[in-house]
Amino acid sequence: AQRVTQPEKLLSVFKGAPVELKCNYSYSGSPELFWYVQYSRQRLQLLLRHISRESIKGFTADLNKGETSFHLKKPFAQEEDSAMYYCALSPPGGFKTIFGAGTRLFVKA
Amino acid sequence: DAGVIQSPRHEVTEMGQEVTLRCKPISGHDYLFWYRQTMMRGLELLIYFNNNVPIDDSGMPEDRFSAKMPNASFSTLKIQPSEPRDSAVYFCASSSYRGRSYGYTFGSGTRLIVV
Repeated sequence: AQRVTQPEKLLSVFKGAPVELKCNYSYSGSPELFWYVQYSRQRLQLLLRHISRESIKGFTADLNKGETSFHLKKPFAQEEDSAMYYCALSPPGGFKTIFGAGTRLFVKA
Repeated sequence: DAGVIQSPRHEVTEMGQEVTLRCKPISGHDYLFWYRQTMMRGLELLIYFNNNVPIDDSGMPEDRFSAKMPNASFSTLKIQPSEPRDSAVYFCASSSYRGRSYGYTFGSGTRLIVV
């Protein structure tokens, strides 16, 4: 079964500390993976896609097919990074994206 | 492009009333999705359309929910009759699949409260 697991509901770090939001997926194949961010009472926004290998707002995510993980990382967290983060999976050739339950990141001053 | 536009932003209604949520996708996007977000269940896909045709409505919770896409620039999600447990934020999203998924563009959502 296709599944996206974000084991942490809440992650609290101090400003300037490294942050890693975990995402594990279950899919027998090569899915497309995404991270979305939702700031307080705003729309969900696409943060990054694994196919682009990009860094957005200092965040990066590496796809580890062996561990079926797609963890989101940032070396130095900022207060404005406080938000809800969703990991999402889209099967190749299909289009029905599955979202994880989300992790709320709280960056303390 | 103004992005995905949803209306209304907020809706408060009484149980039993009909509620209609509206969405205008990004021009040129051929996929449209309706999601529901609650604290308890997170983001749930309700239904999605491709080229105005409903492809998968398995996430629609009950017959009280219906969705239409009469043309490429407009979709509605209707709840009739509404119930308090329908209270949630309803998001519309659109995308274009050009051989692979490039991710969704979400609207601002409609916050529905049914009392």
